[in-house]
Amino acid sequence: QSALTQPRSVSGSPGQSVTISCTGTSSDVGSYKLVSWYQQHPGRAPRLMIFDVSARPSGVPDRFSGSKSGNTASLTISGLQAEDEADYYCCSYAGSYNWVFGGGTKLTVL
Amino acid sequence: EVQLVESGGGLVKPGGSLRLSCAASGFTFTDYSMDWVRQAPGKGLEWVASISTSSTLISYADSVKGRFTISRDNARDSLYLQMNSLRTDDTAVYYCARETAVTLDSWGQGTLVAVSS
Repeated sequence: QSALTQPRSVSGSPGQSVTISCTGTSSDVGSYKLVSWYQQHPGRAPRLMIFDVSARPSGVPDRFSGSKSGNTASLTISGLQAEDEADYYCCSYAGSYNWVFGGGTKLTVL
Repeated sequence: EVQLVESGGGLVKPGGSLRLSCAASGFTFTDYSMDWVRQAPGKGLEWVASISTSSTLISYADSVKGRFTISRDNARDSLYLQMNSLRTDDTAVYYCARETAVTLDSWGQGTLVAVSS
């Protein structure tokens, strides 16, 4: 049950695009389409932004998109806005009714 | 509207016990598996435990196996986490989350557990 690997921080200017990677193994990210991404503002609960690798819940802007290749999933945020500044966590199903999270990435909007 | 409200957190000494509760509303509780996820201060999210709709399938993170017990009462639309033999590294905000077939889609606001002498 090792955590998925994410960069500790990324940054971008308003209007730009940023991509956050999430690297797992063939036992989690590589084996299942069940990758999700969460946004968390300080002091708040996580909010689901992407599920099933690339699906968006209702209410999530289409500026947020997800993808996966092999053992690595990615979250891309286009047209960066100030309110996108937050921590982002990936999560993957890991088999045997277990879930595993990434260590989190702090997004700074410059 | 889906609502998950955790309670039961507090300050406890190492080796002590605590029972967390999560009250669910706004959806058919018996249709969903439920999970606990925690977040240590300044740290990332860590999945803790999962329980299926009828409590037949239960799983735990290695870090809490043998010390924590997840349970649910479908008649009361409630989820529980019994935490025994608490350690200082169990200090965290504990969230309950609704599990769909593909993700943990709704989360409560969390309850803080502090383990300290």
